[in-house]
Amino acid sequence: AQSVAQPEDQVNVAEGNPLTVKCTYSVSGNPYLFWYVQYPNRGLQFLLKYITGDNLVKGSYGFEAEFNKSQTSFHLKKPSALVSDSALYFCAVRDYKLIFGTGTRLQVFP
Amino acid sequence: NAGVTQTPKFRVLKTGQSMTLLCAQDMNHEYMYWYRQDPGMGLRLIHYSVGEGTTAKGEVPDGYNVSRLKKQNFLLGLESAAPSQTSVYFCASSTLRSREGLLTDTQYFGPGTRLTVL
Repeated sequence: AQSVAQPEDQVNVAEGNPLTVKCTYSVSGNPYLFWYVQYPNRGLQFLLKYITGDNLVKGSYGFEAEFNKSQTSFHLKKPSALVSDSALYFCAVRDYKLIFGTGTRLQVFP
Repeated sequence: NAGVTQTPKFRVLKTGQSMTLLCAQDMNHEYMYWYRQDPGMGLRLIHYSVGEGTTAKGEVPDGYNVSRLKKQNFLLGLESAAPSQTSVYFCASSTLRSREGLLTDTQYFGPGTRLTVL
């Protein structure tokens, strides 16, 4: 069965520092991987996705994610964090439906 | 273009009561989904629909029913609410191809409905 894991419940980072939110996956076949963000009291918003091609995927709000097949990872990254990036981040893999990880809360401190 | 809208935003029910949550999308999407979000569990798919008049079960369908009589609407029903159904419910929609004709499966989410069952 397809699955994703987000090993960190919370990530804390100072504004201006680089951030990484981790995601590992388990799939049979080629993975279709996604990152979504959820701001307080809002629905999820699409950030980026990997289907095929370049291992470095660029998305919205300056985020990018690196697909690593050998490590079965799809970590979300940003070179310089903003306080406004504080939110709940979900990694997901597509089977016949989207399967979401449990989410990682990102807290960016001024 | 409102995207995906959900009504109501909040609701409190007593055990055994029934209610219907409405999801509407104005993007002409074929696929629609109902999820529930619970702390520490991420989002779990309740039911989904691949087109008008068709529905299918997701991961956690028990206690819920759905209907898709019109392409733009997807209704989620609770016939006899239980405290275990206290959750935040999200609707989403997606299409097979983008306006540019590219294959896509990005889902667009509504703002959610917070349901409490006492």
